[in-house]
Amino acid sequence: DVKVTQSSRYLVKRTGEKVFLECVQDMDHENMFWYRQDPGLGLRLIYFSYDVKMKEKGDIPEGYSVSREKKERFSLILESASTNQTSMYLCASSIPSFHNEQFFGPGTRLTVL
Amino acid sequence: AQRVTQPEKLLSVFKGAPVELKCNYSYSGSPELFWYVQYSRQRLQLLLRHISRESIKGFTADLNKGETSFHLKKPFAQEEDSAMYYCALSDNQAGTALIFGKGTTLSVSS
Repeated sequence: DVKVTQSSRYLVKRTGEKVFLECVQDMDHENMFWYRQDPGLGLRLIYFSYDVKMKEKGDIPEGYSVSREKKERFSLILESASTNQTSMYLCASSIPSFHNEQFFGPGTRLTVL
Repeated sequence: AQRVTQPEKLLSVFKGAPVELKCNYSYSGSPELFWYVQYSRQRLQLLLRHISRESIKGFTADLNKGETSFHLKKPFAQEEDSAMYYCALSDNQAGTALIFGKGTTLSVSS
């Protein structure tokens, strides 16, 4: 059974804190993605990575950075959390094909106070 | 610019009624389109993809290039179909990132 796991289901942080969201996949997928999901806005791509140490900005990268040191792990970093980063964060992985599905993690609900 | 539009935020139907979730896209090329679904308290998952031409859980979707649409249809809705549905487009010019619509919540009541 394919598996994408995220380090936390719920996270509460304070404004200005540095926040790490971790994602691990066990399918040996090359591609990994971070999205945020907001009501009425759908899913918006923050960053994606198509190989170890490689990253590409998505539609809304401001305020975020990423790290991919190992193939199975993709981390999303909020350098200085702000209240407008309160959201559901979804990680996904896939093989590098035009046709292939993305497999999603359960999500991390982040609240920034 | 590539874009996916789902015009309805919420679609409410009665059990047994037909369902059509609308999706329109803007893309300069041959698109690959998907429908993803998220049931309550479950992770987002693929429902069906255009290239497979399959029916999943009674749902079908036909790509209409003339109307740039990929509407999701089911002849008889069931209560367990209640979920959030996202239409997505694969942007092959940027690798394999997906462009998602804003989603439609389907509510099926008895």
